[in-house]
Amino acid sequence: NAGVTQTPKFQVLKTGQSMTLQCAQDMNHEYMSWYRQDPGMGLRLIHYSVGAGITDQGEVPNGYNVSRSTTEDFPLRLLSAAPSQTSVYFCASSKRDTKNIQYFGAGTRLSVL
Amino acid sequence: EDKVVQSPLSLVVHEGDTVTLNCSYEVTNFRSLLWYKQEKKAPTFLFMLTSSGIEKKSGRLSSILDKKELFSILNITATQTGDSAIYLCAVEAVDQGGKLIFGQGTELSVKP
Repeated sequence: NAGVTQTPKFQVLKTGQSMTLQCAQDMNHEYMSWYRQDPGMGLRLIHYSVGAGITDQGEVPNGYNVSRSTTEDFPLRLLSAAPSQTSVYFCASSKRDTKNIQYFGAGTRLSVL
Repeated sequence: EDKVVQSPLSLVVHEGDTVTLNCSYEVTNFRSLLWYKQEKKAPTFLFMLTSSGIEKKSGRLSSILDKKELFSILNITATQTGDSAIYLCAVEAVDQGGKLIFGQGTELSVKP
C-alpha cells in the first residue's frame, strides 16, 4: 500500500528559484491538504482541496500555489522561494466523510538559501 | 482566533513511567479533537474524540476529552522506548471543511 507519496524527500533551493513539491495518493480520497511544520509551531495548513478542481487557502497560503486536476495528485508550487519557506512540508489526504482523520505523507524537507 | 496549546512541550521519562500529555483549545463551534503520533516522519492517527467523558483506549494509550473545560489528555502507561515521538493534538471546527488546527506538539523521550 503506497498511501500518500511525496517527492522529493529533500530539496535545496536558492532564493528566487521555483519548484513543485509533488503529492500523490492511491486511496481515492477526496480531501487533500498541504501543511508546513516549523520548530515549536506544530503543523500549519497552507492549502487544501475538497475534490478535483476545487482548492482553497489555509492559514499560511502566501507564496504557494496549488491545483487539483485529478483526485490522485495535489502539487504545491513555490513560485519564488524565500528563506522563510525553509521548512518540512507534509501532504495529507482523507475521505470525504471522515475529513478530519488525515493520512500523511513522509514529508519533504526544503531548505532555501 | 482559534488555537490549540499543548503542554509540556518536551518531556523525558524512563521506561515504565506513566505520562500525561495535555491539550487545551479555544475553537468556535468545536467538532472533534484528534491525537497524532509523529516519529521520524509522517504523523499517524491515534484517536478522535467528539464526546466529553468517553475514554478512547488503544493498548497502553488512552485519551479523554472535557468539552466543558476545553481540554484533552493523552495517557501512556508503562512507557517504552518506542513511545518516543512528538505527539500532536489537533482540533476541527464545524463547517470548516475538515481543516485541522494543530498544537505545537509534545516531544516525548523515553530513556531505557
